Amino acid sequence: DTEVTQTPKHLVMGMTNKKSLKCEQHMGHRAMYWYKQKAKKPPELMFVYSYEKLSINESVPSRFSPECPNSSLLNLHLHALQPEDSALYLCASSWGGGPSYNEQFFGPGTRLTVL
Amino acid sequence: KQEVTQIPAALSVPEGENLVLNCSFTDSAIYNLQWFRQDPGKGLTSLLLIQSSQREQTSGRLNASLDKSSGRSTLYIAASQPGDSATYLCAVRRYNNNDMRFGAGTRLTVKP
Repeated sequence: DTEVTQTPKHLVMGMTNKKSLKCEQHMGHRAMYWYKQKAKKPPELMFVYSYEKLSINESVPSRFSPECPNSSLLNLHLHALQPEDSALYLCASSWGGGPSYNEQFFGPGTRLTVL
Repeated sequence: KQEVTQIPAALSVPEGENLVLNCSFTDSAIYNLQWFRQDPGKGLTSLLLIQSSQREQTSGRLNASLDKSSGRSTLYIAASQPGDSATYLCAVRRYNNNDMRFGAGTRLTVKP
């Protein structure tokens, strides 16, 4: 299984809502990533988990809260978002750590619209 | 800070043509470089990964080269097809670090 899955595919939420994005992989990868991608722009790294510990936080606002419950799952909890947070949110995974191959595999993304 | 640039931003070619996409980066202390393809509104599909110690990688009609000292990589696509139409992104990973920086991409259109 070489697939990264993300749910939901589309999400529309109001600025006062609380929602979560989910990501799952069963490749045995130990590094998982969240990226944000605005239209016609490259992906921007938000968070990196390595061996279920947060290793990189690219100064992301606290209204985005990542969680890694186990080595296969990655969540992104959303609260009090702004319309400018509307974007495609991409999850990725790789072997992670040490002199490993480190090819990143991406999921299909969640298209988020904040009203 | 690592800056990644891709030229051209857009490219339109007739079917069957061979083409080259360019990627340049400012910090040569990289761990690897990865080329991706992205269809509109979709996720990224990994095409090729080149480790910092390698000079090139090949997969089918695709060939990627890496010149770390000059901060450049190229993606060569042979005998282009309409199905190759997509945005192609390169990304570099800092040495021994999980941080990846992407270029803005080249939007390729292959006309039948």
